[in-house]
Amino acid sequence: DAKTTQPPSMDCAEGRAANLPCNHSTISGNEYVYWYRQIHSQGPQYIIHGLKNNETNEMASLIITEDRKSSTLILPHATLRDTAVYYCIVRVYEPNFGNEKLTFGTGTRLTIIP
Amino acid sequence: EPEVTQTPSHQVTQMGQEVILRCVPISNHLYFYWYRQILGQKVEFLVSFYNNEISEKSEIFDDQFSVERPDGSNFTLKIRSTKLEDSAMYFCASRGPAGELFFGEGSRLTVL
Repeated sequence: DAKTTQPPSMDCAEGRAANLPCNHSTISGNEYVYWYRQIHSQGPQYIIHGLKNNETNEMASLIITEDRKSSTLILPHATLRDTAVYYCIVRVYEPNFGNEKLTFGTGTRLTIIP
Repeated sequence: EPEVTQTPSHQVTQMGQEVILRCVPISNHLYFYWYRQILGQKVEFLVSFYNNEISEKSEIFDDQFSVERPDGSNFTLKIRSTKLEDSAMYFCASRGPAGELFFGEGSRLTVL
């Protein structure tokens, strides 16, 4: 799986958009970008994923650059409950295979400030 | 909304004892996983399981570890003879249709 680089920590004011960057310059054509977060010691929570198009769901938006070498996760209106460690993970996904394990890095610790 | 459930939430055991951690994956999922996280460290992959057999395992998953799907709903992780360094949070996960993993809240194992 391609390696990703994320800033170790970020702050964001409550109510503002939180923009979390991720570099994945060695990404391959069949690798997807997945974002997860971990609130305190809870289980990691899936947020969103994409291949090359921008994606949006009820939690966040994912912007992937045209060359796919970087992406940004956007939480449009951050709340205190969004304080967590955010992981950007790049991996191949094949529907008929199960062993596409996730390799977690150290992620970005996002702190939402009241 | 369907979720992965894990029991127990916390287990304290003596070194050398056997421990079984239990998971109920989301009902229509077919691929299951165990991860662990030692306090203050990264989340680490242990094993993946499909069609009643292990599809991949990490170096951590040695002969002391085993997994089983004893019935149609439960997925278990057994540690035969616990060591102090097995103290960690253990997370079970199952895979959704787009490759996303859904994790349980974890089982905290403390080995004394």
